[in-house]
Amino acid sequence: DIIMTQSPLSLPVAPGESASISCRSSKSLLYRDGRDRLDWYLQKPGQSPQLLIYLGSYRASGVPDRFSGGGSGTDFTLRISRVEAEDVGVYYCMQALETPLTFGGGTKVEIK
Amino acid sequence: EVQLVESGGGLVQPGGSLRLSCVASGFSISPDYMHWVRQVPGEGLVWVARVNGDGSHINYLESVKGRFTISRDNAKNTLYLQMNSLRAEDAATYYCAKEVTSLGSSVMDVWGKGTTVTVSS
Repeated sequence: DIIMTQSPLSLPVAPGESASISCRSSKSLLYRDGRDRLDWYLQKPGQSPQLLIYLGSYRASGVPDRFSGGGSGTDFTLRISRVEAEDVGVYYCMQALETPLTFGGGTKVEIK
Repeated sequence: EVQLVESGGGLVQPGGSLRLSCVASGFSISPDYMHWVRQVPGEGLVWVARVNGDGSHINYLESVKGRFTISRDNAKNTLYLQMNSLRAEDAATYYCAKEVTSLGSSVMDVWGKGTTVTVSS
């Protein structure tokens, strides 16, 4: 199975500051079509997960441009510029290269 | 409104069975891969199973193979998860999710609110 490792575990951020979450995979997620099979999800408190970023860097519909995904191969980053109170929750990366699909352990973003 | 609504969770004894359902509204599930993902309270997300549009292609998490069966009834716009021989470690909230099949990757863009399974004697 592909192991997904996220850091940090917890990320306190002041409103208006930027935040960065790292995700590493145990195998390259670069597919033959040139796109990485790496997605980012946010689970807000008490809610189900919601799609933020897909195929490494594409923002899902309705996601503010404050969110951006980068990286390729085995190293990926989710960046949030100008963090807002509504951004709190647990962020998960997920590899979709092969089954079993696997998630990172999550990064909890909270407001300072 | 596009939504998925899960049901069928509850309390079951170890070794027992449950059938989860996930009804879609606002869209047709027939073209799309559908997934089940579970989460123990306070812990992370774990993918469980997926099925393609016509039910002919299925994948499972290794630990549920032979015990869980994912299926779908496109006419009823419904996804199912039959869970047999349940174990304490299967206790979790189970989410169904729709994949954006056109992307050629398991991108899950619509999620239900989940149904909770408790396994205890």
